Amino acid sequence: QKEVEQNSGPLSVPEGAIASLNCTYSDRGSQSFFWYRQYSGKSPELIMFIYSNGDKEDGRFTAQLNKASQYVSLLIRDSQPSDSATYLCAVKTAKDGNNRLAFGKGNQVVVIP
Amino acid sequence: KAGVTQTPRYLIKTRGQQVTLSCSPISGHRSVSWYQQTPGQGLQFLFEYFSETQRNKGNFPGRFSGRQFSNSRSEMNVSTLELGDSALYLCASSLSASYNEQFFGPGTRLTVL
Repeated sequence: QKEVEQNSGPLSVPEGAIASLNCTYSDRGSQSFFWYRQYSGKSPELIMFIYSNGDKEDGRFTAQLNKASQYVSLLIRDSQPSDSATYLCAVKTAKDGNNRLAFGKGNQVVVIP
Repeated sequence: KAGVTQTPRYLIKTRGQQVTLSCSPISGHRSVSWYQQTPGQGLQFLFEYFSETQRNKGNFPGRFSGRQFSNSRSEMNVSTLELGDSALYLCASSLSASYNEQFFGPGTRLTVL
């Protein structure tokens, strides 16, 4: 089982719509979860992090965490063309004794004007 | 405040050679993490240094090594390069070793011929 899985293929959303991204993780002991955005040819940048079950909102972004289901999601409301990027889910894990961030392979989002 | 800087930005080497990459963290940041990013494997953790000590290590062979200096600058070395080492190498810095707010540098694109 992969440490962090982001299974959806490229996501195309019309401008103004909601983009929904999902991520599952394998380490039940993980406590910290992150969403990064990576534009083509650029390095990842942190969008938001979440530690507690439930929702966390920051502007147009909402992160949702369900530890029982080992599931993290990111909603992007009122999607803009500038949101077109790859979104990486990351989970802080110490499963093998090394405290580190494990990343999913990312979901590409394309916002269509 | 200046961001994370990495040098060189691009590098071409041949198999069997060795390479050293450099990372200067954001002023005041003491934790530096290194990652390898490839299209196939995504973003993978190499190691993390904090106050000149390697605190955490990913699942990479011993050909990959690093160090951190007293000014928090870090270097990563790869010896006996293989074709599969071609990747984008990213470093990220944060204030503490908790990975909570990591800022990534622009990366070094390494091509092994």
